[in-house]
Amino acid sequence: TQLLEQSPQFLSIQEGENLTVYCNSSSVFSSLQWYRQEPGEGPVLLVTVVTGGEVKKLKRLTFQFGDARKDSSLHITAAQPGDTGLYLCAGAGNYGQNFVFGPGTRLSVLP
Amino acid sequence: GAGVSQSPRYKVAKRGQDVALRCDPISGHVSLFWYQQALGQGPEFLTYFQNEAQLDKSGLPSDRFFAERPEGSVSTLKIQRTQQEDSAVYLCASSPLLGAFARNEQFFGPGTRLTVL
Repeated sequence: TQLLEQSPQFLSIQEGENLTVYCNSSSVFSSLQWYRQEPGEGPVLLVTVVTGGEVKKLKRLTFQFGDARKDSSLHITAAQPGDTGLYLCAGAGNYGQNFVFGPGTRLSVLP
Repeated sequence: GAGVSQSPRYKVAKRGQDVALRCDPISGHVSLFWYQQALGQGPEFLTYFQNEAQLDKSGLPSDRFFAERPEGSVSTLKIQRTQQEDSAVYLCASSPLLGAFARNEQFFGPGTRLTVL
């Protein structure tokens, strides 16, 4: 069974600070996704990365897929209170099997 | 609305009761997933439908859990003889894509929070 670990589990920062959260596994994933989930809502897809070493940018968010496709990071520049939420990574094996979510990083950005 | 809707949003059941949770996917989406999200955890896969066919039910935790999508649109997740460990948020997601590609483009509903007393 493929497992995803995320760190840190909780993160509380001030508005304007930068932060990085991590998603790690001992298994290789064919693709990896990042979602943000707000209280009382379902997860919303932010990005999908499929190529080892790939970097994608979405405004102030930068996503990187590790060269070996076993890990990923999400970097947020100049965090805003609207970035507050649960950040989940999720990945699938080579044929889409064993799609799993990590436990998430709960981010709180204080004004 | 254009998104995935789920009902009820909240359900309280006494231990041993049966519950039925409904998911209305985005119109035209062929793939539908159910997930269970325990407090403080990420969602865990329960089952997958492609149109009306249930192609993967490997995540259903016991034979008390049953899902159907008889006309390839609305889906119902039924839990019989609920137990306290069934307390969780049940999420539904739909996708316009098929098979392995469907997981790359999922649109989630807001979930149903089930509390079993």
